[in-house]
Amino acid sequence: AQSVSQHNHHVILSEAASLELGCNYSYGGTVNLFWYVQYPGQHLQLLLKYFSGDPLVKGIKGFEAEFIKSKFSFNLRKPSVQWSDTAEYFCAVRGAYNTDKLIFGTGTRLQVFP
Amino acid sequence: SQTIHQWPATLVQPVGSPLSLECTVEGTSNPNLYWYRQAAGRGLQLLFYSVGIGQISSEVPQNLSASRPQDRQFILSSKKLLLSDSGFYLCAWSVPPRDGYTFGSGTRLTVV
Repeated sequence: AQSVSQHNHHVILSEAASLELGCNYSYGGTVNLFWYVQYPGQHLQLLLKYFSGDPLVKGIKGFEAEFIKSKFSFNLRKPSVQWSDTAEYFCAVRGAYNTDKLIFGTGTRLQVFP
Repeated sequence: SQTIHQWPATLVQPVGSPLSLECTVEGTSNPNLYWYRQAAGRGLQLLFYSVGIGQISSEVPQNLSASRPQDRQFILSSKKLLLSDSGFYLCAWSVPPRDGYTFGSGTRLTVV
């Protein structure tokens, strides 16, 4: 069965610090990978997604993620965070060839202080 | 444009009362529809998904049920709510095979 692990439950950073949020998945076949963000009081929004091709994916607001197939990982990165990046971040995986079900990790709460 | 409507935004219900949450999608045809529950520290748990009218798949055994009476309408129901049904319920849609999900704004359900 598919599963997603986000080991960082709560991350606290100062503005301008670099960010890396871990995401590991368990699935035996080809996958589609996603990062979603939920800002306080807002609904879930897609940050970026990976289907195929270049394993380094660039998303909105300066975020990027790298798919490392050998490590079953899809870590999210941003070189310099801002206070406005304070949010909850969810990694998600979907098998590319089975029914279209998106499985989420437990989320990482990011707090950025000015 | 494609939009998803979910209501109500908040709901407080007593234990044992019925529940009906509605989700409708506009601007697309034959979407896949999903109900998720978000609980603190547990991420988003897939409850139900539907690939067509009247077709419902349940992911976890629970006190809830789902129905899809029309192509773009997805309803989450319960006959008798439990305290453990409290949470944040999200509806989502997608048009496979190569797309992400679009989420509604959610319903905060508190069972008292």
